[in-house]
Amino acid sequence: GEKVEQHESTLSVREGDSAVINCTYTDTASSYFPWYKQEAGKSLHFVIDIRSNVDRKQSQRLIVLLDKKAKRFSLHITATQPEDSAIYFCAASLDTNAYKVIFGKGTHLHVLP
Amino acid sequence: EAAVTQSPRSKVAVTGGKVTLSCHQTNNHDYMYWYRQDTGHGLRLIHYSYVADSTEKGDIPDGYKASRPSQENFSLILELASLSQTAVYFCATYRGSGNTLYFGEGSRLIVV
Repeated sequence: GEKVEQHESTLSVREGDSAVINCTYTDTASSYFPWYKQEAGKSLHFVIDIRSNVDRKQSQRLIVLLDKKAKRFSLHITATQPEDSAIYFCAASLDTNAYKVIFGKGTHLHVLP
Repeated sequence: EAAVTQSPRSKVAVTGGKVTLSCHQTNNHDYMYWYRQDTGHGLRLIHYSYVADSTEKGDIPDGYKASRPSQENFSLILELASLSQTAVYFCATYRGSGNTLYFGEGSRLIVV
């Protein structure tokens, strides 16, 4: 089955710098790649996603890149702010079996003042 | 107004005891899931359901049962709780077709 590997378990950046979180997946049939954010002591909520028919998507300070050949996708957070500090989870699913969403292990992002 | 509510939010259970975690949704979504979160493992899928009265095994179903008596409700049952089941459990709903998962607030279970 699909496996999603999230490469950075912890990432520290200075406020105002950019942060990049990288994920890889194994199933070439995966076609939907969402990202979720979990703030300290809270639940997860959706932040951005990308589908396999595009290779880039931006929502304000968040950019997601998808490299289907390398089976790799990444989340770029520009001009980081303290409120960006959280655990970020990447995930993958198949559109045809979209019920099964497989998560990476999470990256704990620390934005330092 | 929370669309996915879990109960209890926190529980201490004894080894060998029975634990039931409940999830209620008002999203009117077909799919419901139970995930567990452990440090270093991220989120792992335990059971899911896409219709009332039917449940499916996820990636780590051993030691867990699930029940979906209605579209709104989905329970996770630990018949014989073990220490290794200490974790935070999240319920989520999903409309399907590559849409967003909506998570509950989580249930912290400690088995002693």
